[in-house]
Amino acid sequence: LAKTTQPISMDSYEGQEVNITCSHNNIATNDYITWYQQFPSQGPRFIIQGYKTKVTNEVASLFIPADRKSSTLSLPRVSLSDTAVYYCLVGDPRGRMSYGGATNKLIFGTGTLLAVQP
Amino acid sequence: DVKVTQSSRYLVKRTGEKVFLECVQDMDHENMFWYRQDPGLGLRLIYFSYDVKMKEKGDIPEGYSVSREKKERFSLILESASTNQTSMYLCASRTGTHYGYTFGSGTRLTVV
Repeated sequence: LAKTTQPISMDSYEGQEVNITCSHNNIATNDYITWYQQFPSQGPRFIIQGYKTKVTNEVASLFIPADRKSSTLSLPRVSLSDTAVYYCLVGDPRGRMSYGGATNKLIFGTGTLLAVQP
Repeated sequence: DVKVTQSSRYLVKRTGEKVFLECVQDMDHENMFWYRQDPGLGLRLIYFSYDVKMKEKGDIPEGYSVSREKKERFSLILESASTNQTSMYLCASRTGTHYGYTFGSGTRLTVV
């Protein structure tokens, strides 16, 4: 399972664009990159997932270079309510799990605490 | 929207008690998971289940067991609660082809 490295914390101000980078040097061919957001006293919430190049949805963009050894979550014009922990995960979430199928479970690291200030 | 419901938000139990944490999902997902979350350690996988009556150990199964008698329900059991099992417990589910996990709101368990 590919290990990820991301900053422990980041600070930003309202209205700024925030980019959180995640390193995953050992990413495998079938692995996808998935980002989750977690607010205090809540479970993580799926934000975005991608395999290569760029993915955009209504919440964020995900940039993945050609070598796929890193990825960047981009949050446009953050607000105070974006203060949360952001997790980068790498794994192959597709297909059926079965006995011994632990290879497609997702491993959470410690995440990046994003603090948005007024 | 998929809902994953954990039966309790807060629980306080005594050392040595048998504790049941219940999780129910409403979208016919095959796979269900139990994580615990502790400050500085992130989320750690305790057990997961890929089908009814099927289960597999995660990274930290010691002191825990699970039960999946019905597809929608996945129970985590602390056989004899200890203070080091004080934690936030999170249940999640996913389909075989869904790319993301859906998490419940968590149960904060305190063992005294």
